[in-house]
This record gives sequence, C-alpha cells and structure tokens, in this order.
Amino acid sequence: DSGVTQTPKHLITATGQRVTLRCSPRSGDLSVYWYQQSLDQGLQFLIQYYNGEERAKGNILERFSAQQFPDLHSELNLSSLELGDSALYFCASSINRQGDVGYTFGSGTRLTVV
Amino acid sequence: GENVEQHPSTLSVQEGDSAVIKCTYSDSASNYFPWYKQELGKRPQLIIDIRSNVGEKKDQRIAVTLNKTAKHFSLHITETQPEDSAVYFCAARMYSGGGADGLTFGKGTHLIIQP
Repeated sequence: DSGVTQTPKHLITATGQRVTLRCSPRSGDLSVYWYQQSLDQGLQFLIQYYNGEERAKGNILERFSAQQFPDLHSELNLSSLELGDSALYFCASSINRQGDVGYTFGSGTRLTVV
Repeated sequence: GENVEQHPSTLSVQEGDSAVIKCTYSDSASNYFPWYKQELGKRPQLIIDIRSNVGEKKDQRIAVTLNKTAKHFSLHITETQPEDSAVYFCAARMYSGGGADGLTFGKGTHLIIQP
C-alpha cells in the first residue's frame, strides 16, 4: 500500500457522461498530481495542486478539471466523455511543491467509456 | 516543453545478465530524473532517482548514470532476476513559468528476463 488512495478502482460509463475520480494523498503530502496512462500516449501529466492551489498544468483537456480541497484530497472531473478518454488515471502525491521527495503513485482508476 | 525519449521499447535478456535502458531529455533546465517500474495493471513504483548535481547513483543491483552535457541518463540493472520483468519508465522534471511542474515520462521499456 503506497498510502495514496484512489477511488473508484474501476469505472464504466457511456460517451457524453461526466465522472469524478477521487484521490487522497499520503498523510503529510501537500502536492497532488494527476496523470493519464493510455497505450498510445503513455503516462501524461495532467495537472498539479499544492496545498489547495493549482500549481501547474500539463496536457489537460478543457473538458477536464480538478480541484484540491482543504483536507488535501483531490478530485478530477471528466466531462463530455469520449471513447478516447478510456485510460488509467493515476494520482501521485509528494510532500513538497518540487515533487522530488517521496513522489508516490496511487493504484489508479481504470476508466472505460463505452 | 520537455521531451523524453526512451530506448529500447522492448529488451530481452538472459537471467543473470545486465540490462541497460537509455533516455534523453530536451530541457537543459530539468534537474530531477526518476525511474519507475510498473508491473501489469499496477501503479508505477519509484526504484531510483538522480539529481543533476550527481553523475551516478547506485542501489544494490540498480544504478543510474547522468550525463548533463549530452542530456541523457541510463538505468543499469545487474544480475537480472525473473522479478525484474516489468515496464520501466524514465522521467524528467519539467519547468514552466515559476518553477518545477509534473514529470515528463518516456514511453517505457518492456524488460523481459528469459530464464
């Protein structure tokens, strides 16, 4: 167990729908990162939050959004889902903003869009 | 933005032999280079990392080397064992605006250890 908790583990939904993925970082970690892993694109950085504030954006689509709450858990919202959004979504957490200390991934949420 | 190239995409070695995976990066401002191991259906797990002020780091059978001038870094696994079979990802920390951001990953190397 990495200490980073992601729910749900699996999610199946239809095109056009909206889903929310949840991530609880390791105790004490202030940064949360979201990644998308697909067979053709590999691991792609989506977005980072540090202590409740958006810190950096990567290849995140406009249909996707995220937030980090006061208790430091984070949610990734995916809307107007398309077949191509099917992927493994990982969150990772680290204690500092730079992400070079204790960068740990959760077990992921496997999203299938049908 | 940062671009990380990783080679080879698949590597098959005999048990007991050494394996080397190579990565190059494009952003000279990158200064943190972790390596992750991912088994099928599981999360990526950090196995070793190196910072740009160090040229080499070793942890038992695993070592990483960094050549800042050439902008490439390599993972070396010696005395390979069946449990080393997995996909290995290199990554570099990219910068934008005011500081460090997420990691840019290579496409991965599928390491197969032949008994």
